[in-house]
Amino acid sequence: LAKTTQPISMDSYEGQEVNITCSHNNIATNDYITWYQQFPSQGPRFIIQGYKTKVTNEVASLFIPADRKSSTLSLPRVSLSDTAVYYCLVGDSNYQLIWGAGTKLIIKP
Amino acid sequence: DAGVIQSPRHEVTEMGQEVTLRCKPISGHDYLFWYRQTMMRGLELLIYFNNNVPIDDSGMPEDRFSAKMPNASFSTLKIQPSEPRDSAVYFCASSTGTTNGGELFFGEGSRLTVL
Repeated sequence: LAKTTQPISMDSYEGQEVNITCSHNNIATNDYITWYQQFPSQGPRFIIQGYKTKVTNEVASLFIPADRKSSTLSLPRVSLSDTAVYYCLVGDSNYQLIWGAGTKLIIKP
Repeated sequence: DAGVIQSPRHEVTEMGQEVTLRCKPISGHDYLFWYRQTMMRGLELLIYFNNNVPIDDSGMPEDRFSAKMPNASFSTLKIQPSEPRDSAVYFCASSTGTTNGGELFFGEGSRLTVL
């Protein structure tokens, strides 16, 4: 099962673009890369998922290099409400996901 | 849709008491997962069901924990007897599948405190 490594915490300011990079050196051929967001006292919420290259949705972009050993979640123009813990997971099925400590992102005014 | 609904949101009990946590998954989702979250261990998968059948309960910590899914719209996680080390936030999640790491929809969790 693939494990991921991501920074424990990050700080940024409102209006900035935030990039959170995740390392997953032993990602398997069938694995997808998925990012979740968790606010205090809430369950994690799906943000974005990708397999290779670039994926974009209304809230974020996900950049995946050709070797797929890392990925970068990009949050454009963050606001205070983006303060949360962000989890990077890899796997080809939900029951295989290993949830690490995540990255605690703090957005300052 | 109201999303995944869990109850109770908070439970405080004394060691040795039975605790029952409840979950209503999103209608149409055929997978249901129970997770436990603590500061020390993060999010851990306890058990998951497919079409009401338990598929993998290898994450259930010990025999004091049991989970059932009598029908497609209801599941319970029971701890009997409870111990202080069971204190955690318990999340239920549902999805339409497990392949390709499909999206999990989480409830708001049940915070359990065992004194």
